[in-house]
Amino acid sequence: ETGVTQTPRHLVMGMTNKKSLKCEQHLGHNAMYWYKQSAKKPLELMFVYNFKEQTENNSVPSRFSPECPNSSHLFLHLHTLQPEDSALYLCASSQGLGQGPYNEQFFGPGTRLTVL
Amino acid sequence: GQQLNQSPQSMFIQEGEDVSMNCTSSSIFNTWLWYKQDPGEGPVLLIALYKAGELTSNGRLTAQFGITRKDSFLNISASIPSDVGIYFCAGPGETSYDKVIFGPGTSLSVIP
Repeated sequence: ETGVTQTPRHLVMGMTNKKSLKCEQHLGHNAMYWYKQSAKKPLELMFVYNFKEQTENNSVPSRFSPECPNSSHLFLHLHTLQPEDSALYLCASSQGLGQGPYNEQFFGPGTRLTVL
Repeated sequence: GQQLNQSPQSMFIQEGEDVSMNCTSSSIFNTWLWYKQDPGEGPVLLIALYKAGELTSNGRLTAQFGITRKDSFLNISASIPSDVGIYFCAGPGETSYDKVIFGPGTSLSVIP
């Protein structure tokens, strides 16, 4: 247990569906992240939030829409996805941005997404 | 942009053997990180290195920050079945300490 939980753990959706991924951290952290992990590829940073404000959007298509209502919760809203969006989506949190040489990121277990 | 390369891509070893893997970059990194991802879980930080030449251990794991700042090495001694997983090197990007660049990973399998 890393203190970061993600739900659901597995999700299968059609290209016309709308679904949301949820992440919650119990570590008192202020920064939260979404990563995409595809087979045979490095983890790709998607979004970064610091104190509920989005600080990074790594050229992610608009069919992925993040939401951070408070420092403990992060959502990724999905709509009209493509089969190539199938991947493991990982959430992470850290103490906060710019507060040290490196703030260790704690990862959740991920949501395995399959788009049919 | 910054990229990390890891070798080998995958390894199959006998239990009890020592393991070595490395990570290289075309650009300088000021911090090197080694993460491990167990099957079905997210990555967990194993070791962080902050100075060129630094050698740091965490149990049976030892990592080194290369002198050129463009590489790092991870060694695992006396491997056991729970060492199975994917090992990622990573480092903060040029623009932000918190925008971490990950390598593609080395997949380790341990044969009992």
